[in-house]
Amino acid sequence: KQEVTQIPAALSVPEGENLVLNCSFTDSAIYNLQWFRQDPGKGLTSLLLIQSSQREQTSGRLNASLDKSSGRSTLYIAASQPGDSATYLCAVNTGGFKTIFGAGTRLFVKA
Amino acid sequence: DTAVSQTPKYLVTQMGNDKSIKCEQNLGHDTMYWYKQDSKKFLKIMFSYNNKELIINETVPNRFSPKSPDKAHLNLHINSLELGDSAVYFCASSQDFGNQETQYFGPGTRLLVL
Repeated sequence: KQEVTQIPAALSVPEGENLVLNCSFTDSAIYNLQWFRQDPGKGLTSLLLIQSSQREQTSGRLNASLDKSSGRSTLYIAASQPGDSATYLCAVNTGGFKTIFGAGTRLFVKA
Repeated sequence: DTAVSQTPKYLVTQMGNDKSIKCEQNLGHDTMYWYKQDSKKFLKIMFSYNNKELIINETVPNRFSPKSPDKAHLNLHINSLELGDSAVYFCASSQDFGNQETQYFGPGTRLLVL
């Protein structure tokens, strides 16, 4: 049974700092891994999607890596800003339209 | 021109009532989903429909009945609401059959059962 874990559960950093969010999954047989952002009281916004054959994806200040064999993904945020404050969710697609989510990392960037 | 929309945004109701949540996507996607996010913020898939056909039913009580009148809509009807049904319900969609596609989420419906 696939399980997705995100560490840390919460993180507070000063503005401008570079940071890394971690995601681990127990079964390496995945189709893709997706990072989402959720703002309080809002829906989810897709940030990056990494296919199982890829090792990383980049969008602006965000870089996501995937190491399927070790069951790990990281989301790197460069030069963090207060507007980056949100909950970041990692989700793995195990096939058959089934996506398993982690519990998320709550990020707070202080101005 | 919201991509994935849900109504209502908030729903407060008494135990035992029957309620429906509607979802519509204007992205032309073939696949739609319902997720439940509980008080601990865990998101769990409930149902997945592809081209109006049920693909996934993740051990959801049969009080929950999804209905897809067409590819653009996936509604969720809940009978005999219970306290434990209180959660945020998210609808999502993705482009195609297969597992390579990004999922797009609606804003959520916050259900509170009293």
